[in-house]
Amino acid sequence: QSVLTQPPSASGTPGQRVTISCSGSSSNIGSNYVYWYQQLPGTAPKLLIYRNNQRPSGVPDRFSGSKSGTSASLAISGLRSEDEADYYCAAWDDSLSAIFGGGTKLTVL
Amino acid sequence: QITLKESGPTLVKPTQTLTLTCTFSGFSLSTSGVGVGWIRQPPGKALEWLALIYWNDDKRYSPSLKSRLTITKDTSKNQVVLTMTNMDPVDTATYYCAHITPYGDVAFDIWGQGTMVTVSS
Repeated sequence: QSVLTQPPSASGTPGQRVTISCSGSSSNIGSNYVYWYQQLPGTAPKLLIYRNNQRPSGVPDRFSGSKSGTSASLAISGLRSEDEADYYCAAWDDSLSAIFGGGTKLTVL
Repeated sequence: QITLKESGPTLVKPTQTLTLTCTFSGFSLSTSGVGVGWIRQPPGKALEWLALIYWNDDKRYSPSLKSRLTITKDTSKNQVVLTMTNMDPVDTATYYCAHITPYGDVAFDIWGQGTMVTVSS
């Protein structure tokens, strides 16, 4: 069982805005940065958001991250079929380890 | 251009030791701030962080696997090696190595393609 809790699934129609939540604790999200990864089927994960809300070069601004207290969210606006993937949140924990969420499978209807 | 590639056995027997090598290019592990991490993913399951090593030989391990893991680097060969002892069928997974950016310990910006390891007798 992951220390970071994500909903197992999410869905939306093209053009919609969807959000994926990630719940942690004071020892991880509450005191450290949150990162988001996108994993397309059969491929390695891709860094989508770093330091809570920063996008690496090349990541569309349709993707945005936020953090409040011990929770974080990933928002995807203008949903596209190619956004269908698994999404993982991650954070450093004060126990000196990195942790990933259980992942959310996003379906574009 | 940064690239990483994992290599190692595809099949190991229970109780054996797994040795995986991450060979990289496009960066040096002797450069301040640079690190490499290992992450695994059992079939159909979530990502699990295993270990990381930094340019200064600072090493961190997953608390639940710490007793079984060792991570080392060979700067001259541009390689990072992960060993995991006492392998069990539950360790069957795709194992990834990834470059860590200065943006944080969990900022894996470039990943290898992954290598599938099956544990079975």
